[in-house]
Amino acid sequence: GAGVSQSPSNKVTEKGKDVELRCDPISGHTALYWYRQRLGQGLEFLIYFQGNSAPDKSGLPSDRFSAERTGESVSTLTIQRTQQEDSAVYLCASSSTSGTEQFFGPGTRLTVL
Amino acid sequence: GENVEQHPSTLSVQEGDSAVIKCTYSDSASNYFPWYKQELGKRPQLIIDIRSNVGEKKDQRIAVTLNKTAKHFSLHITETQPEDSAVYFCAAMGGSNYKLTFGKGTLLTVNP
Repeated sequence: GAGVSQSPSNKVTEKGKDVELRCDPISGHTALYWYRQRLGQGLEFLIYFQGNSAPDKSGLPSDRFSAERTGESVSTLTIQRTQQEDSAVYLCASSSTSGTEQFFGPGTRLTVL
Repeated sequence: GENVEQHPSTLSVQEGDSAVIKCTYSDSASNYFPWYKQELGKRPQLIIDIRSNVGEKKDQRIAVTLNKTAKHFSLHITETQPEDSAVYFCAAMGGSNYKLTFGKGTLLTVNP
């Protein structure tokens, strides 16, 4: 079956612009996660969704970052007024429920000029 | 919160040798420890995982060991092959039952 997909695969933007990143989880997976991976670094947890609600937003770096999920399916991560330090690969993962294997998408490489 | 340390950051071995990567964690409530392999430009893929009720798990050339008392776990790859070359990440899931904390990764190079 289809795995986790993300779009766009690459995004180049200018400092100060807003960007929206999309994640399509595996069908039927109730848990969804966003991570950030800076160059040469490990994955940094951003936010967790169970269904449509986000019980843990503790990893969001600032109030410029927000995320939503609709219909236990698609999620979008929005970064407002992008800064150069936001440049990274943003990875989405889903799992059938919390506490089980997380399947990752291919990521969106964001470059802020 | 949870803190995961991973060593070494780079590892170079000859084809056929074994490779060992070690991780320590800080949260004694952690109960799930996956290992991911990430090839250049690709998504992380789970290669093996272990839960805190077992001490060792094997899958062909790959094994993971867990020492809950010492709060460390290790990945062992035997008979390494060039296609094993990648970045390997360990992770730990604490009492939250959803949040993975990752190590910084180990770049494994297997020389033919």
